Amino acid sequence: DQQVKQNSPSLSVQEGRISILNCDYTNSMFDYFLWYKKYPAEGPTFLISISSIKDKNEDGRFTVFLNKSAKHLSLHIVPSQPGDSAVYFCAASAGAAGNKLTFGGGTRVLVKP
Amino acid sequence: NAGVTQTPKFQVLKTGQSMTLQCAQDMNHNSMYWYRQDPGMGLRLIYYSASEGTTDKGEVPNGYNVSRLNKREFSLRLESAAPSQTSVYFCASSVQKSTGELFFGEGSRLTVL
Repeated sequence: DQQVKQNSPSLSVQEGRISILNCDYTNSMFDYFLWYKKYPAEGPTFLISISSIKDKNEDGRFTVFLNKSAKHLSLHIVPSQPGDSAVYFCAASAGAAGNKLTFGGGTRVLVKP
Repeated sequence: NAGVTQTPKFQVLKTGQSMTLQCAQDMNHNSMYWYRQDPGMGLRLIYYSASEGTTDKGEVPNGYNVSRLNKREFSLRLESAAPSQTSVYFCASSVQKSTGELFFGEGSRLTVL
């Protein structure tokens, strides 16, 4: 039973438009959430994170929103660029578990020029 | 700046053979991890080492063993490989008890025939 789910396996968006990636979780003990980006033949790299005490965190073109009551988070990329084409993983951790991350299945984003 | 280095990058095994995946990090991190990535499943934690001298099971430890050789190195061993262990394996490291940001290697693609 996956505790972190990304229900959209893929997303296609036009360059300059907004990309919205969604993630749902079931474990109410999760208190820290992260997004990782992965290019082919490379390891995932950290993108942005949010603590459960916040509902929004922004870093340049990337914004993560957290809705604790719905156990839902989303990543917005504005504007989308061709270099954003990658697989994006949502991940979560529970404070007591330290750095043990639980990952979602990933969403493949294709940004068309 | 090498970061996290994994060897080998590719390996083909026959069922029942054994092998060891090597991982080394040069960031002076205390914690190290082994994940496997399978299509649609995201990354799943196999084993982790919170600090030198300690190892603990993750979500999918069966069929694997690990050794934290020293602060820099964390190896993953398959004693008797099975086709179900065909996957891409990622080693990662982090500052102990950080906010969950992991630094990943480039991955090792293992095929078990």
